[in-house]
Amino acid sequence: GENVEQHPSTLSVQEGDSAVIKCTYSDSASNYFPWYKQELGKGPQLIIDIRSNVGEKKDQRIAVTLNKTAKHFSLHITETQPEDSAVYFCAASSPPNDYKLSFGAGTTVTVRA
Amino acid sequence: DAGVIQSPRHEVTEMGQEVTLRCKPISGHDYLFWYRQTMMRGLELLIYFNNNVPIDDSGMPEDRFSAKMPNASFSTLKIQPSEPRDSAVYFCASSLDGEQYFGPGTRLTVT
Repeated sequence: GENVEQHPSTLSVQEGDSAVIKCTYSDSASNYFPWYKQELGKGPQLIIDIRSNVGEKKDQRIAVTLNKTAKHFSLHITETQPEDSAVYFCAASSPPNDYKLSFGAGTTVTVRA
Repeated sequence: DAGVIQSPRHEVTEMGQEVTLRCKPISGHDYLFWYRQTMMRGLELLIYFNNNVPIDDSGMPEDRFSAKMPNASFSTLKIQPSEPRDSAVYFCASSLDGEQYFGPGTRLTVT
């Protein structure tokens, strides 16, 4: 099955700086890569995703890049704000063959004011 | 849309009791997933359905756990009998075309 590894496990940044989280996956059949943000006491929230037919996607201050050859993808948050503090999870799946998401272990991001 | 709805939000029960968690997926979504989240094990997929049919229940930990989806707008996860090690947050998620949207979760405490 798919194995997703996520680094770092914790990340502390100064407000206004950028944050980068990296994930690797093992199954070359994976073609869908979402990122989730989970705040304390809430369910994971889908914040951005990328499919294997594109290399980069951006939505305001967040962007995701995908390198299919190296089997890794990254989340970039620019101009971080205190409300970006949360746990972030990367995941991978291979729809339409398999809709199960394989999750990374999560990164706890703390934005220092 | 109201998003995925789960009830109850919190459940405290005694060991040996039956627990039923409920989920209403987003209208029009054809996949429904049940997850369990703990500090030790992270986010675990328990079972998922496609068009109300269970597709993969390999994540269900024991026969004490069962899940049903009688129609496109409702699913239940039942634990009978419950044990302290079942204490966790249980999430339901629904999906269309691969994008999964999670509910707010049910925090289960078994004493």
